[in-house]
Amino acid sequence: AQKITQTQPGMFVQEKEAVTLDCTYDTSDQSYGLFWYKQPSSGEMIFLIYQGSYDEQNATEGRYSLNFQKARKSANLVISASQLGDSAMYFCAMREPGGSYIPTFGRGTSLIVHP
Amino acid sequence: DVKVTQSSRYLVKRTGEKVFLECVQDMDHENMFWYRQDPGLGLRLIYFSYDVKMKEKGDIPEGYSVSREKKERFSLILESASTNQTSMYLCASSLTLQLSSYEQYFGPGTRLTVT
Repeated sequence: AQKITQTQPGMFVQEKEAVTLDCTYDTSDQSYGLFWYKQPSSGEMIFLIYQGSYDEQNATEGRYSLNFQKARKSANLVISASQLGDSAMYFCAMREPGGSYIPTFGRGTSLIVHP
Repeated sequence: DVKVTQSSRYLVKRTGEKVFLECVQDMDHENMFWYRQDPGLGLRLIYFSYDVKMKEKGDIPEGYSVSREKKERFSLILESASTNQTSMYLCASSLTLQLSSYEQYFGPGTRLTVT
């Protein structure tokens, strides 16, 4: 069974609009961390945002926010005011004690921002 | 800034050749990782190392070996390259595996083609 599920292989959004990229996870641990990475066409993975399982507030980093719903085991990434440079692959990942804290990645969502 | 470098961005090798992919990080990180990235499959862990000369198998170690003789360098070795090893290979490093220091830093990737 997949630990991280990203159900949207591809997403399209109009420039300046907001977009939500879905991520659900599976863990029996109480303490874990959730991450989002961006991978532009250049190939390098860029860390975007982190949410700890015990964090009470949803994480935010500039235009990125993480909609963390612990009971539903979801950690969706919200990008506000999309820009053309946001076009990229986006990966959700998790670290948990049961996995020796080695990050497990989802299969990714390709986001295309239209002008 | 943490810098993770990989020896080649693009590599073309023939079936049966021995292939070395080199990764170097400059921030004295304990942990280093090799991932393979294929479309629709996300990132899959091949091997990781938590100290010099220490290594652990990831999810897909078959057909690969690794070497970590110095803390800053982690090499991935394809003993006898096969066409199904054509892929993007990503190296990463992290300071610790504790959730308190959670971020992984990635190299630019090596796109390997085996013909």
